Amino acid sequence: EAQVTQNPRYLITVTGKKLTVTCSQNMNHEYMSWYRQDPGLGLRQIYYSMNVEVTDKGDVPEGYKVSRKEKRNFPLILESPSPNQTSLYFCASSLFGQGNQPQHFGDGTRLSIL
Amino acid sequence: TQLLEQSPQFLSIQEGENLTVYCNSSSVFSSLQWYRQEPGEGPVLLVTVVTGGEVKKLKRLTFQFGDARKDSSLHITAAQPGDTGLYLCAGAGLVDDYKLSFGAGTTVTVRA
Repeated sequence: EAQVTQNPRYLITVTGKKLTVTCSQNMNHEYMSWYRQDPGLGLRQIYYSMNVEVTDKGDVPEGYKVSRKEKRNFPLILESPSPNQTSLYFCASSLFGQGNQPQHFGDGTRLSIL
Repeated sequence: TQLLEQSPQFLSIQEGENLTVYCNSSSVFSSLQWYRQEPGEGPVLLVTVVTGGEVKKLKRLTFQFGDARKDSSLHITAAQPGDTGLYLCAGAGLVDDYKLSFGAGTTVTVRA
């Protein structure tokens, strides 16, 4: 089954404790991205990757890091999480990232930073 | 400031009624997509519109892209409880079409 898998689904942690949210897709897609979803603000892009070893900042990249060492994986790293990063996070992938191609989303990771 | 403004923010209707959700912007988009998101899940693509003035139908859902490619609407005929969800529009830029800008969403509740 074609899917985007995120882990963990839920995480409660404390300020400053480094964490990683993993994302994996099995569709051989070139393009992957991370979004955060906050009430009233919709989905905002954090980082995206057009291909292996190619990453770039989205609209809200501050406080986040990513890496793309393999095509299927695109982890999101919070080196020193802060309470304003409490949010619902989604990983997505599409074939080449063109706007008319469907984006396939994971089921989300709900992060709470205390 | 949201690049794409969706209205209304919330909509609650009775089963069998019709509804329309709007997605407006001052920017021109190369394409526009509509997604539906249910609680605990990620958004799922409903449709992509590319041409100004384009109308697409998906069973009881009708999607329209404005002539100037700045706005779009989603119309649901005879809504059913299964249509309940968060509806999101997303526009792709003319130059950097790999970056989608999402609206804040419209929460639709269809009461049985």
